[in-house]
Amino acid sequence: QITLKESGPTLVKPTQTLTLTCTFSGFSLSTNEVAVGWIRQPPGRALEWLALIYGDDEKRYSPSLKGRLSISKDTSKNQVVLTMTNVDLVDTATYFCAHGVNAVDVWGQGTTVSVSS
Amino acid sequence: VLTQSPSASASLGGSVKLTCTLSSGHRSYVIAWHQQQPEKGPRYLMTINRDGSHTKGDGIPDRFSGSSSGAERYLIISSLQSEDEADYFCQTWGPGIRVFGGGTKLTVL
Repeated sequence: QITLKESGPTLVKPTQTLTLTCTFSGFSLSTNEVAVGWIRQPPGRALEWLALIYGDDEKRYSPSLKGRLSISKDTSKNQVVLTMTNVDLVDTATYFCAHGVNAVDVWGQGTTVSVSS
Repeated sequence: VLTQSPSASASLGGSVKLTCTLSSGHRSYVIAWHQQQPEKGPRYLMTINRDGSHTKGDGIPDRFSGSSSGAERYLIISSLQSEDEADYFCQTWGPGIRVFGGGTKLTVL
C-alpha cells in the first residue's frame, strides 16, 4: 500500500524559504517509472501543480514558479523535499505530495502553510 | 488547457455527468479525475483515455465511470449518495508539465 505524508512549518514569514518534506512508503523512488510530485491548493481555490521528481532524479517544475522551487529526494530515507524561496502571502495554501508519473494516483493528506508577518 | 464548469447539482439517487474540456491542440490527451470531499485531501478516481476507455483507482465504486467525446472527458456518477457531494478536479499532463482544471463543485440535492 502506497502512502505519503507531508511535514513542515505551519507558519512562515514573507521572504523566508519554505521547506516541506514528503515521507512515503510502499514504493521505491529509484527508477524513471516512478515519480513524486507536489501540488498546492490555496484556501477555497483549485489545485496547482508545483514540481515533480522521477526516480532517476529528473526534475520538472511549474513554469510560473520555476525560479523559486527546488525538489530533491533522499532514496534511503524515502523522502522528497520541496523548497520554495522568497515566500509571499499568496503562497498560503495546503501543500500535497503525490505519487504518479503522469496521473496522480495516490495523494498525501496535505499540510497547511500560512504565510504571515 | 482544462476547462470545467464551476458547479453542478443532481438529486440523491440520481446521476450526473461532469465535463472536462481539453483546449485546442490537446484534444487527444489522457486525463485523470480526482474527488475532494469537504475538508479532505483529494482522492484519485480514474484515468480516461481519448477513446473513452478508463482505469479506476483502487476501491472506486462501480457507480463511478468515465467516457470521452472529442475534446471532452466525462465523469459519470450514478446512484448519487450524499458523500458524493464534493469538488471534482480533472488533471492532464504533457512533457514536463502537469495541469489541473479549475474544479466542479457537485451538490447533491
